[in-house]
Amino acid sequence: QVQLQQWGAGLLKTSETLSLTCAVYGGSFSDDYWSWIRQPPGKGLEWIGEINHSGSTNYNPSLKSRVTISVDTSKNQFSLKLSSVTAADTAVYYCARVPGAGIAVDGVDYWGQGTLVTVSS
Amino acid sequence: SYEVTQPPSVSVSPGQTARITCSADALPKQYAFWYQQKPGQAPVMMIYKDTERPSGIPERFSGSSSGTTVTLTISGVQAEDEADYYCQSADSSGTYGVFGGGTKLTVL
Repeated sequence: QVQLQQWGAGLLKTSETLSLTCAVYGGSFSDDYWSWIRQPPGKGLEWIGEINHSGSTNYNPSLKSRVTISVDTSKNQFSLKLSSVTAADTAVYYCARVPGAGIAVDGVDYWGQGTLVTVSS
Repeated sequence: SYEVTQPPSVSVSPGQTARITCSADALPKQYAFWYQQKPGQAPVMMIYKDTERPSGIPERFSGSSSGTTVTLTISGVQAEDEADYYCQSADSSGTYGVFGGGTKLTVL
């Protein structure tokens, strides 16, 4: 059984950098891709990006210029940084596991509990 | 940007069959995945790789694919199936993931 536990600041001001971390318990960290997905209040899901244990990343083109996803294999953790946030970045952010070869091939099978990040001016 | 299109809402009476469609240009060569999300909860995968059902998902949930459209079918809909359903696929190169806008299933 895989568990994902995420944490990070929940309230930011415009232009600050969002930072979230997700710890993975169980499973094999090196076998899978690890993803970030967000959901604005009352709206749909948006895929942000993914990373594997070797640091290979894929990003949503619409967010790529502001997003960095990194991995710490010694702690079985991965992190999200989103720079220059605005109110449009207010959302619940989920970390998630994508087994195998990435989001295009295997989808998401485990999700973190979600973190509401609110951006205010 | 690449788009995955779903109807905003579908309504069905209990015991009837609900069909939720998802359309995208690259679906003939990219897999589709379906997720169910209930209020205040994280999504749950219901169908993967177009037609496969994860363990623990009821048999009344099934997926099919035809050209640029995939369909999630819920046979014998139950009240507990009322939720938002999201289709997810990838762009034509398989580089990044894309979610559809979601479909709210209402059980009348």
